[in-house]
Amino acid sequence: NAGVTQTPKFQVLKTGQSMTLQCAQDMNHNSMYWYRQDPGMGLRLIYYSASEGTTDKGEVPNGYNVSRLNKREFSLRLESAAPSQTSVYFCASRRQETQYFGPGTRLLVL
Amino acid sequence: QKEVEQDPGPLSVPEGAIVSLNCTYSNSAFQYFMWYRQYSRKGPELLMYTYSSGNKEDGRFTAQVDKSSKYISLFIRDSQPSDSATYLCAMSGAYSSASKIIFGSGTRLSIRP
Repeated sequence: NAGVTQTPKFQVLKTGQSMTLQCAQDMNHNSMYWYRQDPGMGLRLIYYSASEGTTDKGEVPNGYNVSRLNKREFSLRLESAAPSQTSVYFCASRRQETQYFGPGTRLLVL
Repeated sequence: QKEVEQDPGPLSVPEGAIVSLNCTYSNSAFQYFMWYRQYSRKGPELLMYTYSSGNKEDGRFTAQVDKSSKYISLFIRDSQPSDSATYLCAMSGAYSSASKIIFGSGTRLSIRP
């Protein structure tokens, strides 16, 4: 089992460019999450998907969109990147009260 | 006011010391309390999980929950350099697939050999 995988591991974007962060889990979990982690701010929830076919906004959704492609995959899209979106992005899936995190994507927006 | 408050540290202690990490919270509906450990440049991983009040022990780690004071703690006995990491508390209310887990900002811990 690979658990939760994320691609890419690192990305540099220019302001205004778009990109999609990919996430996949092989644990057959219904719920999946996207967080961003910034120094001193902890993990902030961007979007989540309680089950295949549903998505909901979290604490900081502005500037992002998500797609729950199937039960395994949950992608995060930045349509027009801004320097404020420089962060480390973590995807997670959940079984009961345990969240399983991917290794993260480090994004730098210049 | 944040729902979950956690002292960011950094906290530096000598090897073998007892470490105490703490979080306070404001939402009395929280029933599930977790501690995650995050090594540098890695994703968080669940360390311990407690339901409602009380203590839970796992090897050198003890988690305590005091719901009356809205205060949770993680104790690490005989701390080792390999315990150096950021520790995040997390909590949630009644479980459902749509319920959210709220994280503290994390405490960075360093164990000096």
